[in-house]
Amino acid sequence: GNSVTQMEGPVTLSEEAFLTINCTYTATGYPSLFWYVQYPGEGLQLLLKATKADDKGSNKGFEATYRKETTSFHLEKGSVQVSDSAVYFCALRVDTGGFKTIFGAGTRLFVKA
Amino acid sequence: EPEVTQTPSHQVTQMGQEVILRCVPISNHLYFYWYRQILGQKVEFLVSFYNNEISEKSEIFDDQFSVERPDGSNFTLKIRSTKLEDSAMYFCASSGTGGGATNEKLFFGSGTQLSVL
Repeated sequence: GNSVTQMEGPVTLSEEAFLTINCTYTATGYPSLFWYVQYPGEGLQLLLKATKADDKGSNKGFEATYRKETTSFHLEKGSVQVSDSAVYFCALRVDTGGFKTIFGAGTRLFVKA
Repeated sequence: EPEVTQTPSHQVTQMGQEVILRCVPISNHLYFYWYRQILGQKVEFLVSFYNNEISEKSEIFDDQFSVERPDGSNFTLKIRSTKLEDSAMYFCASSGTGGGATNEKLFFGSGTQLSVL
C-alpha cells in the first residue's frame, strides 16, 4: 500500500541552525510528493511539492528533492528562524482516481531565539 | 487569498449523539475532502468527494459517517452516533478547478475539534 514515514519529533533547534526532517515513502505507481506545514491554530498549508524523480521543490528557504532510488523526500533549510516553529507533514499522492493524499505523522519543530 | 472555512471550531457532544461538521470550500474548487487527526497522531484520510459523489473513502469512513453537499457552497460531514474514539480534530479541504496537477494542492480549513464525552 501507500504510506509515508517521517522522523519523530519534536525537533528543537537554535535560530540559524540547519534543519533536516527525514521522510521516506512507499507507493504503488508514481507519486507526487509534498511537504505541508501547520502553524498553531491553523490548518495545513502546502509548503512545497515535487511531481517526479529528481525534481526539487522549494519555498521560503525550504527545499526537498524527490529521490526515487531511496524513496525519500527529506526537508531541509539552511538557517531556521523562530517563525519556522510549526508541525511539518510529509505527504504523497498517487492518482488512483480517488484524489487521496496520504500524510505522515508530522514532525514538530521548535526554534529557540 | 480565498480560504476554506469550518464551523464550529469546537464541538462537544455526548456519546451516541449525531453531529454535523460544516465546511465552506473555496468557491471554484471541484474536489472536497475530510481528514481527521487524533491528538498526537497522523492526519488520516476519511473521504474525497467529486461531482456530487464519493470518489474514495477509507476504512474509517464506515456506515456511521456520511457527507453531503446540500447546496453550492457547503460541504458537511455527519457522524450518526458518535463514539468516544471519534474525538479528534476534523479538517475539511478542497482542491482544483480542473484535472491532473491542478487538483493536487489541498487547501485546508482550520479544523473542528470534536470531543465526545
